[in-house]
Amino acid sequence: DAKTTQPNSMESNEEEPVHLPCNHSTISGTDYIHWYRQLPSQGPEYVIHGLTSNVNNRMASLAIAEDRKSSTLILHRATLRDAAVYYCILRDPLLTQGGSEKLVFGKGTKLTVNP
Amino acid sequence: DAGVTQSPTHLIKTRGQQVTLRCSPKSGHDTVSWYQQALGQGPQFIFQYYEEEERQRGNFPDRFSGHQFPNYSSELNVNALLLGDSALYLCASSSSIGTGGLNSPLHFGNGTRLTVT
Repeated sequence: DAKTTQPNSMESNEEEPVHLPCNHSTISGTDYIHWYRQLPSQGPEYVIHGLTSNVNNRMASLAIAEDRKSSTLILHRATLRDAAVYYCILRDPLLTQGGSEKLVFGKGTKLTVNP
Repeated sequence: DAGVTQSPTHLIKTRGQQVTLRCSPKSGHDTVSWYQQALGQGPQFIFQYYEEEERQRGNFPDRFSGHQFPNYSSELNVNALLLGDSALYLCASSSSIGTGGLNSPLHFGNGTRLTVT
């Protein structure tokens, strides 16, 4: 079962910042926070992940609350290509039994970007 | 660098039939996972193959089975198809090398759309 809560949908304007929230109040000390997004007619795409500290990469930034019970994915300047369903996922690497830990997806947040 | 490739892209089957879906992982990846995504839902984990063995399995019946070949490619087989098996089937690959698979990002293919009539 998904252990995260996200809004069903959000809307943004092109070239404006977007803050996508995620609540994970039952997060354990070893859970990493991962974000994936799924563009229309495509498979999910990895965006970013973090444990405690805020993280930045070329796609986005991840801001993690001090108590780790929530996090926010930040798209600094939304483009039309960022319209997708965004999934916030907890992943515990200690549960890995060889290979890699499975992902448990919720319904995600559908982001609409207006021109 | 080719990513994850899946075939076929679309498939129509009749209830009761059997189907085989194929996946080639991203170059350098040794772990393959399969997910089922119903319309409007997030993907649901079916199972994972690593070292040619099923290492993890989600809550899916035995009608769903798979295989991983020595070149790391994989097949998903579904027997006795039901109308409810209609979905997008996604293959994802990752590498167990380096960090040992810990937090290794999954790379997904664009899926096979299966319609059961």
